[in-house]
Amino acid sequence: DVKVTQSSRYLVKRTGEKVFLECVQDMDHENMFWYRQDPGLGLRLIYFSYDVKMKEKGDIPEGYSVSREKKERFSLILESASTNQTSMYLCATSIAGGQETQYFGPGTRLLVL
Amino acid sequence: AQRVTQPEKLLSVFKGAPVELKCNYSYSGSPELFWYVQYSRQRLQLLLRHISRESIKGFTADLNKGETSFHLKKPFAQEEDSAMYYCALLAYEKLTFGTGTRLTIIP
Repeated sequence: DVKVTQSSRYLVKRTGEKVFLECVQDMDHENMFWYRQDPGLGLRLIYFSYDVKMKEKGDIPEGYSVSREKKERFSLILESASTNQTSMYLCATSIAGGQETQYFGPGTRLLVL
Repeated sequence: AQRVTQPEKLLSVFKGAPVELKCNYSYSGSPELFWYVQYSRQRLQLLLRHISRESIKGFTADLNKGETSFHLKKPFAQEEDSAMYYCALLAYEKLTFGTGTRLTIIP
């Protein structure tokens, strides 16, 4: 069974702080993804990675960066948090090859004050 | 670019009544479509995918390429079906999600 974990369920930060969200998977999946989930907007892809040290911009990368130093770990970084980054952040993983489903973590609800 | 549209943000259905959640897509290639579900306080999980053509929890979805639709259906709604449902299209190993439909089953 795929296990995808995220470092925090809830996080409260102040405007301007640097924020790190971590995602860890234990199934040796090549692909990892970061989404944000907002009411009425669905899930929007921020960044994804096909392999270690590789990253690709998604649909809304502005204000975010990512790091993938190890296969099992994918970090989302908010360089200078802003109130419009208050959201639910979801990590997902999938096997390489393009035809398999994605497995999601439990999410991190971030509040930026 | 691909696009997924779910026209209903909210849908309320009586228990035992049929359910249909609408999904339309636009994509120039051959689509790979999914329905994901998120129950209260649970993580987002796959409900079904069109390629497997199976029924999960009584739900089915048929890909209609002519109408570019992938509607989710269930003949008799149950209270445990209350959840958030997302339609998604897979292209280039990335998922594009619709905005979601919150389904509420009225007892």
